[in-house]
Amino acid sequence: DAGITQSPRHKVTETGTPVTLRCHQTENHRYMYWYRQDPGHGLRLIHYSYGVKDTDKGEVSDGYSVSRSKTEDFLLTLESATSSQTSVYFCAISPPGPSGDTQYFGPGTRLTVL
Amino acid sequence: KQEVTQIPAALSVPEGENLVLNCSFTDSAIYNLQWFRQDPGKGLTSLLLIQSSQREQTSGRLNASLDKSSGRSTLYIAASQPGDSATYLCAVHNQGGKLIFGQGTELSVKP
Repeated sequence: DAGITQSPRHKVTETGTPVTLRCHQTENHRYMYWYRQDPGHGLRLIHYSYGVKDTDKGEVSDGYSVSRSKTEDFLLTLESATSSQTSVYFCAISPPGPSGDTQYFGPGTRLTVL
Repeated sequence: KQEVTQIPAALSVPEGENLVLNCSFTDSAIYNLQWFRQDPGKGLTSLLLIQSSQREQTSGRLNASLDKSSGRSTLYIAASQPGDSATYLCAVHNQGGKLIFGQGTELSVKP
């Protein structure tokens, strides 16, 4: 298994509160990604990073921000959580190669916003 | 905009059958295509990656093919087993390694 952990694994929060999800890797891979998975929509890219302090938006980035101050950590922040952000969030990592290489996924974080 | 479709959405087969899962994509300008397996409540496990210059990849009882010109990929599972029951996802790699996923095929293999 690729060395990816996500924390927390489960979280219940209330509308309007800030939430930060953490993805940690031990592989020293350059590329890291945040996806969300929802019934009827499948997996969709939120944000990604191609190096320390280098991030960009994905398909569904509204309401989310990210930070990457170290190679091993990629943080996803919901500044003010809404019920529409209830989802399962997956982090993924990939070896160097902008043309795409095998992506390895973490175990996921189940977030419920009440 | 790239769209990925997987048909059927669900499939139930008896143990021992060979089966084919289908994936189609609208834009043939892809880098790679990757097949994943997802068990209920779990993360994604990578099964096979086909690079855009390749036609197929094999791993054990799994064989994945890619036809870029027609926008299609298939995942062939030989001699299916109950342990193969899971949701199978295909995803195309766009520039920057960004994945566009299909919604998956939920496979049930009955003993």
